[in-house]
Amino acid sequence: ETGVTQSPTHLIKTRGQQVTLRCSSQSGHNTVSWYQQALGQGPQFIFQYYREEENGRGNFPPRFSGLQFPNYSSELNVNALELDDSALYLCASMLQGTYNEQFFGPGTRLTVL
Amino acid sequence: AQSVTQLGSHVSVSEGALVLLRCNYSSSVPPYLFWYVQYPNQGLQLLLKYTSAATLVKGINGFEAEFKKSETSFHLTKPSAHMSDAAEYFCAVSLNFGNEKLTFGTGTRLTIIP
Repeated sequence: ETGVTQSPTHLIKTRGQQVTLRCSSQSGHNTVSWYQQALGQGPQFIFQYYREEENGRGNFPPRFSGLQFPNYSSELNVNALELDDSALYLCASMLQGTYNEQFFGPGTRLTVL
Repeated sequence: AQSVTQLGSHVSVSEGALVLLRCNYSSSVPPYLFWYVQYPNQGLQLLLKYTSAATLVKGINGFEAEFKKSETSFHLTKPSAHMSDAAEYFCAVSLNFGNEKLTFGTGTRLTIIP
């Protein structure tokens, strides 16, 4: 148990729809990162939020967006879903500024049909 | 830019045998290196990390890894495999001290033969 939870566990959407994935970080963690893990691949960094502001972004288009809230929860939003968005989405939280590790949630499996 | 390459997408070893999972990195600056394990339907768990202190790093569950700058490698080893070691293993690199914004390899699936 890492203390990081994600919802929902599984989700099925159709192409062109929008989706919101949720993450609840460990209490006190001021940083959350989101990763996309396609089948058979390693996770790819989408973006990171620190104190509710975006703090770095990977090679993902603007239709991937996020929010971080003061209560240690966060969201990943994806607009105009494409078939290639089908993947496991992982969030990871940490307390930035400390020599500490990121704690990963179990992920949300998104299937786009 | 940094990257990691994991040689061997699938590795099978007998129970009790040595486990060796290979990882080579590319980085323009001294990197921070990590090994994560992923069990089915679970998130990632940190096994160990290299942060420019000792080159031989010991982690959880009996795993260790050695940072070799001359070979740009960070291979993961365990002297004696256990059935519970069967999982997917990912090597990752970061340029940040706080191991954020990780760049992962494509993973190695470890199978343990009884």
